[in-house]
Amino acid sequence: GQQVMQIPQYQHVQEGEDFTTYCNSSTTLSNIQWYKQRPGGHPVFLIQLVKSGEVKKQKRLTFQFGEAKKNSSLHITATQTTDVGTYFCAGTSGTYKYIFGTGTRLKVLA
Amino acid sequence: DTGVSQNPRHKITKRGQNVTFRCDPISEHNRLYWYRQTLGQGPEFLTYFQNEAQLEKSRLLSDRFSAERPKGSFSTLEIQRTEQGDSAMYLCASSSFPGGWTGELFFGEGSRLTVL
Repeated sequence: GQQVMQIPQYQHVQEGEDFTTYCNSSTTLSNIQWYKQRPGGHPVFLIQLVKSGEVKKQKRLTFQFGEAKKNSSLHITATQTTDVGTYFCAGTSGTYKYIFGTGTRLKVLA
Repeated sequence: DTGVSQNPRHKITKRGQNVTFRCDPISEHNRLYWYRQTLGQGPEFLTYFQNEAQLEKSRLLSDRFSAERPKGSFSTLEIQRTEQGDSAMYLCASSSFPGGWTGELFFGEGSRLTVL
């Protein structure tokens, strides 16, 4: 079945440093979403990417969908303590069943 | 609009007992999802509905798990003969399709199950 892996599993950065998490799917995706889950909270939607090679920006966050639609990345510029949490990608292949990745837990040291 | 509501928020049960969780989605959202999440892991897909129709169910689920959405509004997830491995957070999410759909899944706060 479809599997979605993320690397790294954990990332500790100093406040102000950049952060990137990578998402890789075993199958070609129709679209990919990104979610953030704060400690003790539930996943909150960040963005959806649909087109091959698509790049979207939200303030300090840059999201990219690979040309082959099998991978994606999230890059945060100049991290802040409010960025702490676990970032998940979630992809679907032709249906509306979203398979979540393994997640990257980000810790920001002030 | 009060968001996605899940009840109970916490459930402690003994092995072998049955438990039922309820999810009330955002009104007029026609898609409803159930996920299971254990500590340090990503949400694991269980099943999803469009209106009252259960469109897909994870092959990982045993026959002890069943979900319903009888009138296309709220949904219930029942686990029969619970096992310690069922201990997890059960998350419900809803989505609106098709008109104005951004793809966003709106998650509830979850129902945490502990099986002793």
